[in-house]
Amino acid sequence: GAGVSQSPSNKVTEKGKDVELRCDPISGHTALYWYRQSLGQGLEFLIYFQGNSAPDKSGLPSDRFSAERTGGSVSTLTIQRTQQEDSAVYLCASSSDGSWAETQYFGPGTRLLVL
Amino acid sequence: AQSVTQLDSHVSVSEGTPVLLRCNYSSSYSPSLFWYVQHPNKGLQLLLKYTSAATLVKGINGFEAEFKKSETSFHLTKPSAHMSDAAEYFCVVSDPGNTGKLIFGQGTTLQVKP
Repeated sequence: GAGVSQSPSNKVTEKGKDVELRCDPISGHTALYWYRQSLGQGLEFLIYFQGNSAPDKSGLPSDRFSAERTGGSVSTLTIQRTQQEDSAVYLCASSSDGSWAETQYFGPGTRLLVL
Repeated sequence: AQSVTQLDSHVSVSEGTPVLLRCNYSSSYSPSLFWYVQHPNKGLQLLLKYTSAATLVKGINGFEAEFKKSETSFHLTKPSAHMSDAAEYFCVVSDPGNTGKLIFGQGTTLQVKP
């Protein structure tokens, strides 16, 4: 079946602009995660959605970052007033029920470059 | 708090020789442990996972890992490296105290020489 998909695959933007990154999880998966992969910080958790529960936003680095998940499926990560340090690969993952032992399946990522 | 330490940032082996990628973890619970692989410009792919069943876990492409609680280790091995194994490998921990958030090690780059 189809895996996790993300769009765009690459995004180049100017400092100060807003960007939106999209994630389509595996059909039927109730849990969705965003991670960021950067040279200096490695792979770090950003935000977690599970069903209709309030999202866990504990990993968001600043209030310029926000995310939503509509209809329990597609998610959008928004970065406002982008900075050069936001340049990274943004990875989305989904799992069947969000439990701590469940496998998370990752999308190919969106590579963001802020000039 | 959870943490993961991958003991080597870079490992180089010759094709056909064994692979050993080392990982130590810290967790207040009995964790789940994963190894993911990332080929250049590709997403993360699950190699194998441990979730408190058998301590020796077999994964895809001939990889396996052994959970050793006394040593808090979860090293990844393969008897014979193939050129296609060249990639970055991540050791990952998850535990009940963290609602499914994965904690990643810094990664080990595996180079396979012909």
